[in-house]
Amino acid sequence: DSGVTQTPKHLITATGQRVTLRCSPRSGDLSVYWYQQSLDQGLQFLIQYYNGEERAKGNILERFSAQQFPDLHSELNLSSLELGDSALYFCASSLSGRMDEQFFGPGTRLTVL
Amino acid sequence: AQSVTQLGSHVSVSEGALVLLRCNYSSSVPPYLFWYVQYPNQGLQLLLKYTSAATLVKGINGFEAEFKKSETSFHLTKPSAHMSDAAEYFCAVGADSSYKLIFGSGTRLLVRP
Repeated sequence: DSGVTQTPKHLITATGQRVTLRCSPRSGDLSVYWYQQSLDQGLQFLIQYYNGEERAKGNILERFSAQQFPDLHSELNLSSLELGDSALYFCASSLSGRMDEQFFGPGTRLTVL
Repeated sequence: AQSVTQLGSHVSVSEGALVLLRCNYSSSVPPYLFWYVQYPNQGLQLLLKYTSAATLVKGINGFEAEFKKSETSFHLTKPSAHMSDAAEYFCAVGADSSYKLIFGSGTRLLVRP
């Protein structure tokens, strides 16, 4: 158990819908990262937050957005869902947000039908 | 730009045999290098990390990796494979300026009895 929690574990929805994925970092970690893992794209970095502020952005679609709240949990919002958005979404956290160890959550499996 | 290449999407070894998983990186700045392991239906777990302190890095579960700048490689080895080592292994590169990890495509390790 990494100490990072993600909810829900599984999510099945239809095209065009909007979903919210939630992540709680390890106690004391200030930085949260979101990654997408799919068969065709592999593991891709989406976005990073540090202490409530966006720090780095990767290949995140405009239909996707994220935020980190004052209690440091983070949410990833995916809207106008397409079939190709079906993937495993991982959240990771680290202490400082620099090149220290990232601890990964168990992931949320999103299926878009 | 940084990138990671993992040679071999699947590697099969016999129990007790040497494990060698290959990773080559490209980075314009001194890299941070990581190996993560993913067991089925789980998140990623850090095996080891290179941050320029020593070229031979020892990790958990008997794994180690050697940083070779001249070859831009960071191959993962274990002297004797166990059945429990069967999993997917990801090499990743990070640079301090960007705070994100770039992952390779992964290598699935199969261990034959």
